Amino acid sequence: DIQMTQSPSSVSASVGDRVTITCRASQDISSWLAWYQQKPGKAPKLLIYAASILQSGVPSRFSGSGSGTDFTLTINSLQPEDFATYYCQQANSFPPLTFGRGTKVEIK
Amino acid sequence: EVQLVESGGGLVQPGRSLRLSCAASGFTFDDYAMHWVRQTPGKGLEWVSAITWNSGTMIYADSVKGRFTISRDNAKNSLYLQMNSLRTEDTALYYCVKDNGPAQYYYGMDVWGPGTTVTVSS
Repeated sequence: DIQMTQSPSSVSASVGDRVTITCRASQDISSWLAWYQQKPGKAPKLLIYAASILQSGVPSRFSGSGSGTDFTLTINSLQPEDFATYYCQQANSFPPLTFGRGTKVEIK
Repeated sequence: EVQLVESGGGLVQPGRSLRLSCAASGFTFDDYAMHWVRQTPGKGLEWVSAITWNSGTMIYADSVKGRFTISRDNAKNSLYLQMNSLRTEDTALYYCVKDNGPAQYYYGMDVWGPGTTVTVSS
C-alpha cells in the first residue's frame, strides 16, 4: 500500500497569511493526487485533483503542485472560511486509495 | 442540486450484518464510479470500496475484503454496501462518495454525502 505522510499535522496562521501544506507519498504516484478540505461536522470537499487542477467553484487562492512523491497545497491570503483540516489522497495505485492523516489549519 | 444521502447506519452487535444505502440525485448516476469512505477520530479517512459506473469492477480495502460487498442499481440511482461479520473496528461514520469520473478513480471524489454512523458494539 502507498503511505501518504502530511506535514505539518497542524499549523497556526492569521487571516491574510500564506499557508503551505506538504504531502509525501511512499512511492511514485505521478500526478495522481487530490486535496480535500474538511470543516468540523461536515463531509470533505474536493479542492484539487491531478495534483494541480482546481475543482470547479474552488477559489483561486488554493493551488497545488508537485509530482512523483512530493506535493504541496498552498493557500494564498488565508480567509476566515479556510480554517479547516486538509487531507491529501493518492489515486495512482489501488486498491487501496489512501489518504494522509490531515493537517489542521488553526487561527493564530 | 447534486446530492447523496446515506441511510441504514445504526448500532449492531459484533458478527452481525448491516446494509447501507445511498440515494443519489441531481446528476447522471450511471455516468460515474462511486465509493464508500469511512472516518473515525483515531484512523482518519479510510477508503472502503469502489464500483465502476457499470458495476464491471469492484475493489475493496483489505480490512473489509470478503466481508463487505458494494453494489449499485442504476435504475434506482442507488449505491449499497452490504456489511457482514461486523467487527468493533468497523465502527465509523460511513460516507457515500461520487467519483469525478466513470471508472479510473484518478480524478478525486467530488461529491460526498453527510454520512451515516455505524456502531459495532455488544
